[in-house]
Amino acid sequence: DIQMTQSPSSLSASVGDRVTITCRASQSISSYLNWYQQKPGKAPKFLIYAASNLQTGVPSRFIGSGSGTEFILTISSLQPEDFATYYCQQSYSTRYTFGQGTKLEIK
Amino acid sequence: QVQLQESGPGLVKPSQTLSLTCAVSGGSISSDYYYWTWIRQPAGKGLEWIGRIYASGNTNYNPSLKSRVTISVDTSKNQFSLKLSSVTAADTAVYYCARGFSLEPGAYFDYWGQGALVTVSS
Repeated sequence: DIQMTQSPSSLSASVGDRVTITCRASQSISSYLNWYQQKPGKAPKFLIYAASNLQTGVPSRFIGSGSGTEFILTISSLQPEDFATYYCQQSYSTRYTFGQGTKLEIK
Repeated sequence: QVQLQESGPGLVKPSQTLSLTCAVSGGSISSDYYYWTWIRQPAGKGLEWIGRIYASGNTNYNPSLKSRVTISVDTSKNQFSLKLSSVTAADTAVYYCARGFSLEPGAYFDYWGQGALVTVSS
């Protein structure tokens, strides 16, 4: 299976900050990388597909980049509703796998 | 707007079979563009993909669960189902159903159910 590793595991930031979350794959996955946001007690929400394409309705402050084995999710200016856990997911292999998650907390 | 809703017993005894159904509304489960998937999440942990099914009935499963998992579809009822046999406490989790969109290659899960907590305990 392709292993997905996110860093950091947790992150404290303030409203208005720019934050980055990194996701690394154990092998090249081209651009087959998606991002999801999950709030406590809720299902994950789909944000970005194919590394950099925003799902309809997702604010433009969410920016995805990368290819191969390293990917980055940037939130350009944190809003109160952005504090959540973020997961990356590879779809290069149909044995889909997720990262362990990055919990974004209010400083 | 597509909606998915999981249903099934919230408590299952060890060694028995976990059964969940996902009802799809706001769209046809028979669409050629989508497939239907199950994902689970133990408390405080990450997400694990269980498997997927197309309306045709073609399936793919996570190799780590393959020997115990069966996913089926009922297009007449616009729903699909999960069965996981010989469960243990390690199978206790919130189980999500979701819609998968295939980019060929690549895919993503764009609509999710609210999740169903299943506890394995005697």
